[in-house]
Amino acid sequence: DQQVKQNSPSLSVQEGRISILNCDYTNSMFDYFLWYKKYPAEGPTFLISISSIKDKNEDGRFTVFLNKSAKHLSLHIVPSQPGDSAVYFCAASPYSGGGADGLTFGKGTHLIIQP
Amino acid sequence: EPEVTQTPSHQVTQMGQEVILRCVPISNHLYFYWYRQILGQKVEFLVSFYNNEISEKSEIFDDQFSVERPDGSNFTLKIRSTKLEDSAMYFCASSVRRSSYNEQFFGPGTRLTVL
Repeated sequence: DQQVKQNSPSLSVQEGRISILNCDYTNSMFDYFLWYKKYPAEGPTFLISISSIKDKNEDGRFTVFLNKSAKHLSLHIVPSQPGDSAVYFCAASPYSGGGADGLTFGKGTHLIIQP
Repeated sequence: EPEVTQTPSHQVTQMGQEVILRCVPISNHLYFYWYRQILGQKVEFLVSFYNNEISEKSEIFDDQFSVERPDGSNFTLKIRSTKLEDSAMYFCASSVRRSSYNEQFFGPGTRLTVL
């Protein structure tokens, strides 16, 4: 039961170009979305998030776009740098009105930045 | 910059043995989480903890698992009788408040190998 789907296991982008990572979700209860970056043998590192009341959030080179009607979000990285090579996870959380909610993760996309 | 720490980095145990994985969340955070990632699979939520009690747990978190905050700084995950399929990376995370509208910060993980 894949509630969060990242359909591209890997993506190769040239240095300096734009990287676009995609994520789809099926659960209508999700209202908060996050992107994490992970290097081998390390824990996920938070990159950027967006709540369902917005359609765009920008932080430096990273921008997340949310299309609620399509249940789709994307992460844009521009310009791409060699240090961006990592696995990127999309994650989502429902609004439950209280308590601590676990995140539901996608399987990840391995981004490779080529010189 | 404050970070979540986990010990040990690697734990090897025999099937049927008990293991305790330890985490020190970020000091002003109130919500704590455990996740696991089986090799080649996605990160999966196990349990969340707030105010000294479990807030939410997944189907994976069965009776062989337990969590505890034994003092003001540590947060532990105990697996009572390990199985081969418990072999995975276990990540601890913490957040200032509940996950919606607030990111979770992850530790580097403990690699558990059950022989």
